[in-house]
Amino acid sequence: NAGVTQTPKFRVLKTGQSMTLLCAQDMNHEYMYWYRQDPGMGLRLIHYSVGEGTTAKGEVPDGYNVSRLKKQNFLLGLESAAPSQTSVYFCASSPLRTGGPVYGYTFGSGTRLTVV
Amino acid sequence: DAKTTQPPSMDCAEGRAANLPCNHSTISGNEYVYWYRQIHSQGPQYIIHGLKNNETNEMASLIITEDRKSSTLILPHATLRDTAVYYCIVRVNLRIAETSGSRLTFGEGTQLTVNP
Repeated sequence: NAGVTQTPKFRVLKTGQSMTLLCAQDMNHEYMYWYRQDPGMGLRLIHYSVGEGTTAKGEVPDGYNVSRLKKQNFLLGLESAAPSQTSVYFCASSPLRTGGPVYGYTFGSGTRLTVV
Repeated sequence: DAKTTQPPSMDCAEGRAANLPCNHSTISGNEYVYWYRQIHSQGPQYIIHGLKNNETNEMASLIITEDRKSSTLILPHATLRDTAVYYCIVRVNLRIAETSGSRLTFGEGTQLTVNP
């Protein structure tokens, strides 16, 4: 059972380059989220999605775009990377309703992005 | 969402119980208390959650005070692998906040270090 898979795991970008981070979940969860975590800090929500074809802004959305064309995938795009976007990015998913043995969020293992 | 306050760090001896406190004095009646942990550089992991009654699962116990203004996460027999940052989060349950996506807000948490 893979859970939440993020690709790539590591990436180095030059300022101004673009890239897309992919998050895939195989649990049929409705909700998906992108967070970033800077050194020594908690996670901050970038964007989230409550279902296929819908997205919404979180706490720190500037400089990022997202898409949820398929229920199982949530893509995070950086159109023009900046050094301030150097961070660890975590994707998470959660079910529409709590119930059964699994509650709350399931997180991926993270993508470590460095912008130079 | 209600704000939470946690000590920045705690130490515990291996094999002893670790008791992690959390204050959430502004919690409202329909907000749950969630606990997650993040082992170095990995994605956060769900531990337990509760509303008003004490809860126990295979990982931990959650004790919520009668006035719900504070709670304690208990790891009954801490091991070296329990060294992590522990996050206490207060949020409306998914079942109630379906349309909003029930976003979890992570603070800075408590760094628990289990010593041999």
